[in-house]
Amino acid sequence: NAGVTQTPKFQVLKTGQSMTLQCAQDMNHEYMSWYRQDPGMGLRLIHYSVGAGITDQGEVPNGYNVSRSTTEDFPLRLLSAAPSQTSVYFCASKRQGDNSPLHFGNGTRLTVT
Amino acid sequence: GQQVMQIPQYQHVQEGEDFTTYCNSSTTLSNIQWYKQRPGGHPVFLIQLVKSGEVKKQKRLTFQFGEAKKNSSLHITATQTTDVGTYFCAGSTSGTYKYIFGTGTRLKVLA
Repeated sequence: NAGVTQTPKFQVLKTGQSMTLQCAQDMNHEYMSWYRQDPGMGLRLIHYSVGAGITDQGEVPNGYNVSRSTTEDFPLRLLSAAPSQTSVYFCASKRQGDNSPLHFGNGTRLTVT
Repeated sequence: GQQVMQIPQYQHVQEGEDFTTYCNSSTTLSNIQWYKQRPGGHPVFLIQLVKSGEVKKQKRLTFQFGEAKKNSSLHITATQTTDVGTYFCAGSTSGTYKYIFGTGTRLKVLA
């Protein structure tokens, strides 16, 4: 099993450009989520999904879109990148139910100039 | 909305000293999880606490969940250089699927 796979590992964008961060998991996890990590601010939840066709907003959803057409994939879209979106992005998945841990991908480091 | 704070933000200790990080939630939690992130890595699950007043141990690590289920702590006895990293708590409230992370405590261990 590969676990949670994120692509790309690094990305540089110019302000106003769009892009999609990819996240795929092969553990048949119902729950998937996106976090951003900034120095001194921990991990902040952007969007999450409890199953295919279902998504919901986290703490900092503005400027990001998500969709969940399959159980395996949960892409994060930046429609018009801004320098404030420079961050490290982590995708995480887990089995449904409270007593299971989050499994994280290796992260995508995004710089917006 | 739900907020989770951690203190301290940074901690430098000499190898062999003890270390404690504290986690406080603005709302009552259904459970709390702890993660460790090594420099340049991703968060890795350590443990989950569910019951009020619960205490769990993993070798030199002791985890506690407060009686009111709004706070938690992680204590490391006799730190080693392998303990270096950032420790996060993450809590969820009953009926939601939002796992809100604390701000993290970055631990440096001086040999």
